[in-house]
Amino acid sequence: KNEVEQSPQNLTAQEGEFITINCSYSVGISALHWLQQHPGGGIVSLFMLSSGKKKHGRLIATINIQEKHSSLHITASHPRDSAVYICAVPPHSGGGADGLTFGKGTHLIIQP
Amino acid sequence: EPEVTQTPSHQVTQMGQEVILRCVPISNHLYFYWYRQILGQKVEFLVSFYNNEISEKSEIFDDQFSVERPDGSNFTLKIRSTKLEDSAMYFCASSNPGWGSQHFGDGTRLSIL
Repeated sequence: KNEVEQSPQNLTAQEGEFITINCSYSVGISALHWLQQHPGGGIVSLFMLSSGKKKHGRLIATINIQEKHSSLHITASHPRDSAVYICAVPPHSGGGADGLTFGKGTHLIIQP
Repeated sequence: EPEVTQTPSHQVTQMGQEVILRCVPISNHLYFYWYRQILGQKVEFLVSFYNNEISEKSEIFDDQFSVERPDGSNFTLKIRSTKLEDSAMYFCASSNPGWGSQHFGDGTRLSIL
C-alpha cells in the first residue's frame, strides 16, 4: 500500500506570496494527482503528472519520480486560492481502475 | 466541460436503514469509483468498477456495501444497514483507461441519525 505524506498541514500566507506544498510517497507510481477541495467539500482535479513539470495559470506542479516527491507551487497567491490541497497516488505503477490513496491535505489560507 | 453528477447532495437516514447514493459519471468514461471522507479526515478509497464488475475494493467496503451500474448512465452505492459511523461525505469519480485523470462529483453528505 502506498503511504502519502504532505507538508505543511496548515499554511497561512499573505496575498502575493509564493506558496509551496510538498508531497512524498512510498511506492513507485505511474502518475500523481494534485486535487483542490473547497470549504463546500467538492473536489477538483488540478494536475495529474508522471514526470517533470506541469503549469496551469498560477499553479505549477513538479514531480521527481526517483525521489518519490512532488511539489505544488502557487505564484502570486490570492485569497481565492484558499482551500485544502491534496496529493493522491495510485497503489503501484500499474494502470487500470486503481483507487487513489490520499494525503491528509494542506489547509491553505491566503490573507488579503 | 462534462461533469460527474451526484444525487442527493445531502441524505439524512435513520440508523439501520438502507441508503442508495447515485452518480452519473462522465459519459465516455469506463472506470468508476466511490470514495468517502469522514468529517475532518482524509479521503478514503472504497471501490472501483470496470466492465460491469468490481475491479478493486478496500477493507472498508464490507458486505454492507454494494455497487451497481443499473443502466448505461447511473452508478450507485448501496449501504444495506447504515451505522452511525457511515456518516461521511461520499464522492463518486470516473476516469478513462491509460491512467486518465479522475473527475470527481460534488459529493453526497450522508448523515446517519
